[in-house]
Amino acid sequence: EVQLVESGGGLVQPGGSLRLSCVISGFNVSSNYMSWVRQAPGKGLEWVSVIYSGGSTYSADSVKGRFTTSRHNSKNTLYLQMNSLRAEDTAVYYCASLNCWGQGTPVTVSS
Amino acid sequence: QFVLTQSPSASASLGASVKLTCSLNSGHSTYAIAWHQQQPGKGPRFLMKFSSDGSHTKGDAIPDRFSGSSSGAERYLTISSLQSEDEADYYCQTWGTGIVVFGGGTKLTVL
Repeated sequence: EVQLVESGGGLVQPGGSLRLSCVISGFNVSSNYMSWVRQAPGKGLEWVSVIYSGGSTYSADSVKGRFTTSRHNSKNTLYLQMNSLRAEDTAVYYCASLNCWGQGTPVTVSS
Repeated sequence: QFVLTQSPSASASLGASVKLTCSLNSGHSTYAIAWHQQQPGKGPRFLMKFSSDGSHTKGDAIPDRFSGSSSGAERYLTISSLQSEDEADYYCQTWGTGIVVFGGGTKLTVL
C-alpha cells in the first residue's frame, strides 16, 4: 500500500527553523518526482518545491533561498528544511507524488 | 509562465451531473493535468491524470462517475450521479521542468 506520512510541523517563532519529514512506503522516494505543497488557512493549494528522480530540486519563488528539499534514499524519506520562517509560511504542508498525498503536517509561525 | 484558471464555485443537484473546467494559458494548451479532490477538513486526494490526447490514469478506487475530457486548452472534470460526499474543493494541477502549478480550485456545492 502506498502511504506518505509527514511529521515535524509545529509552532515556531518568526525567523526560526523547522525540518519536515515525509516517510514513504509502497514505492521508492527516488523513483518519482516528489513535491511539497502547502495550504494556508482558508486558501488553495500552493506548490512549494519539487525533487526529481535524478536529485535536482526546484522551489517556488516565495521560498527560494529559505527552504531546501532533500531526500534520504535508504530511509525512503523526503525532507523540507525551512529556515527564516515568516508568518506567511503558516500552512498545512503536504508531501505528494503525482498520484498520492500525505495527510499533512501543520506549521504555525507566530510570536 | 504557467497559469491554470478555474471557476471559484459550482453547484448542482443531488443525482445530477456537473462539469468543472480548468483552463491552461496560452502556450501550454497541450499540457497534461491532474485533478485532485479535497473534501472538507481533509487532505487532497488524487482523482486522475488527463492528457490532451484523451489518455488518462485514475487514482485507486475512484468511481466511474468521475471522468475527464478536453477541448483545446480546456480540461474538464465531469462528475455524474452527484452524491453528497462529492461536495468538495477540486483542484487542477500541471507541471513542467522545475515547476508545478495549481489552479485556484473550484468549490462544488451539492444541492
